[in-house]
Amino acid sequence: DAKTTQPPSMDCAEGRAANLPCNHSTISGNEYVYWYRQIHSQGPQYIIHGLKNNETNEMASLIITEDRKSSTLILPHATLRDTAVYYCIVMAGANNLFFGTGTRLTVIP
Amino acid sequence: DTEVTQTPKHLVMGMTNKKSLKCEQHMGHRAMYWYKQKAKKPPELMFVYSYEKLSINESVPSRFSPECPNSSLLNLHLHALQPEDSALYLCASSPQKGRAEKLFFGSGTQLSVL
Repeated sequence: DAKTTQPPSMDCAEGRAANLPCNHSTISGNEYVYWYRQIHSQGPQYIIHGLKNNETNEMASLIITEDRKSSTLILPHATLRDTAVYYCIVMAGANNLFFGTGTRLTVIP
Repeated sequence: DTEVTQTPKHLVMGMTNKKSLKCEQHMGHRAMYWYKQKAKKPPELMFVYSYEKLSINESVPSRFSPECPNSSLLNLHLHALQPEDSALYLCASSPQKGRAEKLFFGSGTQLSVL
């Protein structure tokens, strides 16, 4: 059973904010939301994670709805180097990372 | 140093060959992982080592044999592979098992089985 649902692809203009949605309607109370990305020919890279509160770091912001059934990853000023597949993953601590199908984000000049 | 190094970067092997993939990290991480990724698909977890002991084997065929000789090194021994085993093999490490926010991946070995 898929734990997360993401759109298969999205485009974003360079310099604009990229908003990547993720649905996780069956998330449990102890499960975190993680975002990873995979740039072509590289291994996946951790971006951000959160439990209930919104989170921000140097790469992105994570907005989690109050009911925790969905979240949005925001890249505030997308660049061409942000073109990648973005994976939204829900998991409890001490478990292992299982990837879903992800969203292929293309940043357009 | 936040690097996970995988060698070789590319490997071509026949179905009767025996080869090994190597993964190394010097971050002091005690959990190491093998993932398999087919083209245009997400990575799939194969094996997890925790403190040099095999913790998880996700029903991987016995033609794939992992080995963790020490805390810095992880090998994947390959024998009698099939063409459908052609994929990108990714190694990752984290301080302990399950620390997904501190999971670092290598760039992978692209394997082609002829």
